[in-house]
Amino acid sequence: QLQLQESGSGLVKPSQTLSLTCAVSGGSISSGGYSWNWIRQPPGKGLEWIGYFYHSAGSYYNPSLKSRVSISADRSMNQFSLNLRSVTAADTAVYYCARAPSTYGSGSGALDIWGQGTMVTVSS
Amino acid sequence: QLVLTQSPSASASLGASVKVTCNLSSGHSTYAVAWHQQQPEKGPRYLMKLNSDGSHSKGDGIPDRFSASSSGAERYLTISSLQSEDEADYYCQTWGTGIQVFGGGTKLTVL
Repeated sequence: QLQLQESGSGLVKPSQTLSLTCAVSGGSISSGGYSWNWIRQPPGKGLEWIGYFYHSAGSYYNPSLKSRVSISADRSMNQFSLNLRSVTAADTAVYYCARAPSTYGSGSGALDIWGQGTMVTVSS
Repeated sequence: QLVLTQSPSASASLGASVKVTCNLSSGHSTYAVAWHQQQPEKGPRYLMKLNSDGSHSKGDGIPDRFSASSSGAERYLTISSLQSEDEADYYCQTWGTGIQVFGGGTKLTVL
């Protein structure tokens, strides 16, 4: 059974870069046909898609975050990562990684496996 | 623009049934959606994928009490024989080329 586990710094200073990693176990990130997604949830609010990496097509990002975000995969470590630059208090949230079987050739699809999430606070 | 609209809240009595609605934006009535459950203080859990024709495929271990249906641009999640642990936020999610979209979520209260 595939499992995802987020890790990274829980406290980031304003203007710095938020960096998180999602470790994949029970399966390979190199398996074709899946995108590897990041989603976040500010305290008391709903879910917001950040972006995903899809081996066949590269990375896609939420237009509202595109100028600050990058998502990449490390096949040798079987993990994928999120970097969010120039953070502010508005980036304080629980960050989740998730897998989606690709429905279209671009990698998007139903998010069928989720990590447990990791809280990131932006504060000086 | 691909948008999902959900009512912010719903309620039903213990043992009853409830239908949660997700509305696809104009021009997107053929899109599939996924339903996710988020219990208090927990991460989201995938429930099922629902196609425009009403066919759906559930995630592992999802009880038969959870079902789904479609009508036009509306997608429904029906929970029967409500239990206390069904009190949660329910999100619909859809996707297009290079994009994933969430609805705002529906908070279900079991009375």
